[in-house]
Amino acid sequence: AQSVTQPDIHITVSEGASLELRCNYSYGATPYLFWYVQSPGQGLQLLLKYFSGDTLVQGIKGFEAEFKRSQSSFNLRKPSVHWSDAAEYFCAVGAGTGGFKTIFGAGTRLFVKA
Amino acid sequence: NAGVTQTPKFRVLKTGQSMTLLCAQDMNHEYMYWYRQDPGMGLRLIHYSVGEGTTAKGEVPDGYNVSRLKKQNFLLGLESAAPSQTSVYFCASSPGVSAGLVKGNEQFFGPGTRLTVL
Repeated sequence: AQSVTQPDIHITVSEGASLELRCNYSYGATPYLFWYVQSPGQGLQLLLKYFSGDTLVQGIKGFEAEFKRSQSSFNLRKPSVHWSDAAEYFCAVGAGTGGFKTIFGAGTRLFVKA
Repeated sequence: NAGVTQTPKFRVLKTGQSMTLLCAQDMNHEYMYWYRQDPGMGLRLIHYSVGEGTTAKGEVPDGYNVSRLKKQNFLLGLESAAPSQTSVYFCASSPGVSAGLVKGNEQFFGPGTRLTVL
């Protein structure tokens, strides 16, 4: 069965430091992969997505993610974190025909300290 | 464009009461979804729809019903609310496969409805 694992429930980084959020997926075919961000009291917003091609994908707000098939991973990175990046981040895999059924990980909450 | 809107934003029910959550989108999207979000569990798909007049069960459909009589609206009903249905409910929509694989699967979310069942 398809699944998404985000090993870190929460992470704290200092403002200006680099960030990497981990995501591992289980899916039988080539996956459609997403990262979403949720600010407090808000809905989710798409950061970036991977369907095929270049395994390093760029997203909004300076985020990027790298697809590694051999490790079944799709880790999210940002070189320098800003206080406004504090939020909850969800990795997701698209399942079903065309990937329209999306399975979400449990989320990683990011805290940014000054 | 309002995007995806949800009504109401908050609701408190007593066990056994019924209610309907309304989701509306103005992006002409084919696909619509209802999720629930619980602490530590991410989002779980309740029901979804791939077009007007069609619905399907997701991961956690029990206790919920849905209808999609119009393309822009997707209703989630609770016939007899239970405390286990206390959650935050999110509606989302996506263009669907007809928009191509690159764009078709991007989901747009509403702001959520916080439901408490006493």
